Amino acid sequence: GESVGLHLPTLSVQEGDNSIINCAYSNSASDYFIWYKQESGKGPQFIIDIRSNMDKRQGQRVTVLLNKTVKHLSLQIAATQPGDSAVYFCAEKGMRFGAGTRLTVKP
Amino acid sequence: NAGVTQTPKFQVLKTGQSMTLQCAQDMNHEYMSWYRQDPGMGLRLIHYSVGAGITDQGEVPNGYNVSRSTTEDFPLRLLSAAPSQTSVYFCASSWGQSNQPQHFGDGTRLSIL
Repeated sequence: GESVGLHLPTLSVQEGDNSIINCAYSNSASDYFIWYKQESGKGPQFIIDIRSNMDKRQGQRVTVLLNKTVKHLSLQIAATQPGDSAVYFCAEKGMRFGAGTRLTVKP
Repeated sequence: NAGVTQTPKFQVLKTGQSMTLQCAQDMNHEYMSWYRQDPGMGLRLIHYSVGAGITDQGEVPNGYNVSRSTTEDFPLRLLSAAPSQTSVYFCASSWGQSNQPQHFGDGTRLSIL
């Protein structure tokens, strides 16, 4: 069946470094992807989205890259801060979620 | 703006009891959904609604009922609670069924003893 999954369940980075969180999907017809951030005790919060007619989209300190050839997308966080510590989910069509990657930022 | 409001935030039930998890949104969104989140498994879709009077099943609907009598409210009912339903439940809403970011509530943490 179709699936969405992240490559690593945990990621630890030093404050100030760049972070890259990866996600793979199986449905080649998928045309919309979202990255969500979930802090402890809270619901997921929208970060950035991308449609399949784009390869890259930038926000404030975040960039999402979409590679449709290998069905892979990534979330890049520039100059990672302690407040970025959270679980990050990719979601296909906004509805089908991966298991999440827990990002820990070390001061 | 309140966004998506879920009540209660915490609940402990005994096996076999029933209860309703409440969800309300004030953004006039047509689409609403319920997810459960278990450790290491991400969010799984239970039920969803594309508008008042219309509901449909998601990935894991067994043991749950929903109704959508108004645009604002989308309650989730546990008919006869089982320990396997111990989880964190999230309600979400958005303008469309897909290809739209969803707005999530802060969840209901449910324990079934």
